[in-house]
Amino acid sequence: DQQVKQNSPSLSVQEGRISILNCDYTNSMFDYFLWYKKYPAEGPTFLISISSIKDKNEDGRFTVFLNKSAKHLSLHIVPSQPGDSAVYFCAASASNQGGKLIFGQGTELSVKP
Amino acid sequence: NAGVTQTPKFQVLKTGQSMTLQCAQDMNHEYMSWYRQDPGMGLRLIHYSVGAGITDQGEVPNGYNVSRSTTEDFPLRLLSAAPSQTSVYFCASRRHSRSSYEQYFGPGTRLTVT
Repeated sequence: DQQVKQNSPSLSVQEGRISILNCDYTNSMFDYFLWYKKYPAEGPTFLISISSIKDKNEDGRFTVFLNKSAKHLSLHIVPSQPGDSAVYFCAASASNQGGKLIFGQGTELSVKP
Repeated sequence: NAGVTQTPKFQVLKTGQSMTLQCAQDMNHEYMSWYRQDPGMGLRLIHYSVGAGITDQGEVPNGYNVSRSTTEDFPLRLLSAAPSQTSVYFCASRRHSRSSYEQYFGPGTRLTVT
């Protein structure tokens, strides 16, 4: 039972345009959500997070939106740069379940010059 | 700070062999965890620990053992390796918090079981 789903395995975007990565979850107890970025042969690195008490969090070119009623979150990257090409994982956590992170399958973003 | 370190970077095992994947962190983080990454499956939690002497199972614990005798170290043991355990393994840590669950990951260990 996949509690966190990223239904798009890959996404290709032109440099300078917006990249939108999507994530859906099923567990209504999740109250904290994170996005990680992963380059080949490296460990994932934290990108941005959002608590369930908010519906938007912004950090530079990166914005995460949370729609609790739809159990959906998205990551917007504006403008996209070639260095953003990586695999992006969304993750969710429930504070009453010890804060374990449950990850989605990942979306591979390719930003073309 | 070195952050989260993992050894070895690569390992090839034969079916039935045992080994220990090492993980250490120098950030004095209470929480540590092990994940495996497989194509199309994302990162799946194997075991985790909320502090020295305390461990618990994650999503895919079968075939793996862990212990946490110190805050710094969290080794993952494969008692009898199977081809299904071929994967990339990541260790992660974070400080104890009720409001933030950001974890720091190590560089990974790529394990092949033949």
